[in-house]
Amino acid sequence: EAQVTQNPRYLITVTGKKLTVTCSQNMNHEYMSWYRQDPGLGLRQIYYSMNVEVTDKGDVPEGYKVSRKEKRNFPLILESPSPNQTSLYFCASSFGSANEQFFGPGTRLTVL
Amino acid sequence: GENVEQHPSTLSVQEGDSAVIKCTYSDSASNYFPWYKQELGKRPQLIIDIRSNVGEKKDQRIAVTLNKTAKHFSLHITETQPEDSAVYFCAAKGDSGGYQKVTFGTGTKLQVIP
Repeated sequence: EAQVTQNPRYLITVTGKKLTVTCSQNMNHEYMSWYRQDPGLGLRQIYYSMNVEVTDKGDVPEGYKVSRKEKRNFPLILESPSPNQTSLYFCASSFGSANEQFFGPGTRLTVL
Repeated sequence: GENVEQHPSTLSVQEGDSAVIKCTYSDSASNYFPWYKQELGKRPQLIIDIRSNVGEKKDQRIAVTLNKTAKHFSLHITETQPEDSAVYFCAAKGDSGGYQKVTFGTGTKLQVIP
């Protein structure tokens, strides 16, 4: 089954404790993105990747890191999480930047 | 960078009526405009998209129009049904300076009243 998976689905952590949210797709997509969704602000792109080893900042990259060592995986790293990073996070993938994006199920993160 | 504004933020219509959601964008180099539907507690899913070389696209009860000169695009849903109730997001894919960012609007919560 073609899909985008994210783990964990829910996470409660404390300020400053490094965490990684994994994202994997099995559709051989080149373009992958991370978004955060906050009430009233819609979906805001954090980082995107055009292909392996090619990543670039989205609109809200501060406090986040990403890597794309393999085509299927695009982990999101929060080196020192802060409460303002409490949000719902979505990973998405598509064949290209101008194609339908397939979203993962979301990760609800709470930083205390 | 790209800025996408979406209106209205909430919309209530009677079942069977039409609904229209409008978005404006700022980057004239943007060339791809998708619309996503997000049901409560679910992930966003594409419902229709349009590219900058097309002025209108239709898929059954859903249509999108694009005015490149005015830099705005709209989603039209006809004969609305209760299952159309959801949050709808427009987006624009930029193409300036080699960047391939996708910028979303802030969403429209559509309620279809039976």
